[in-house]
Amino acid sequence: AQRVTQPEKLLSVFKGAPVELKCNYSYSGSPELFWYVQYSRQRLQLLLRHISRESIKGFTADLNKGETSFHLKKPFAQEEDSAMYYCALSGVTQGGSEKLVFGKGTKLTVNP
Amino acid sequence: DAGVTQSPTHLIKTRGQQVTLRCSPISGHKSVSWYQQVLGQGPQFIFQYYEKEERGRGNFPDRFSARQFPNYSSELNVNALLLGDSALYLCASSLILLRSGELFFGEGSRLTVL
Repeated sequence: AQRVTQPEKLLSVFKGAPVELKCNYSYSGSPELFWYVQYSRQRLQLLLRHISRESIKGFTADLNKGETSFHLKKPFAQEEDSAMYYCALSGVTQGGSEKLVFGKGTKLTVNP
Repeated sequence: DAGVTQSPTHLIKTRGQQVTLRCSPISGHKSVSWYQQVLGQGPQFIFQYYEKEERGRGNFPDRFSARQFPNYSSELNVNALLLGDSALYLCASSLILLRSGELFFGEGSRLTVL
């Protein structure tokens, strides 16, 4: 079964503090994982994907296959990071197409 | 580029009615996917269409159907509406079908069933 678990519904930190949003997954094959973000009054958009190993807006995420985790980290949170964050797993349907399996999301609030 | 556009943005229906939601993908994108997002949950996959053919279907009843037109726009239809169908319906487009990684989402159509 393909499943994504984000254990924290809400996360609140102060500006300048480190932040870590947790994501665990269940997938039998070779996973592709993503973080999507939704800022207030904006559409859902891709933040980063594990395969590109890039840092976007100071965020990084490392795929740990042993722990089946893909936690999102930033060393110094900024107020503009306040948003809803979704971890997603790419799976293939029987028809050979791609679907994303999303977690329930974590709402990050960065306080001044 | 306006991005993925969806219509209507909000609508209210009563139980038993039918609804049609529309989506225009980003120019050049041939794949359109539909997701349902119930309040407090992440988006859940409903359908994916590529080159006008259904290529994937999520765990939704047959009351849900969709199609893709020659211009790659798409419609999602839901028949015999139930209260539980109240949700934000998201359309997403992508360049290719497999392992594209990046989906471009619209702002969604918020359906309320009374």
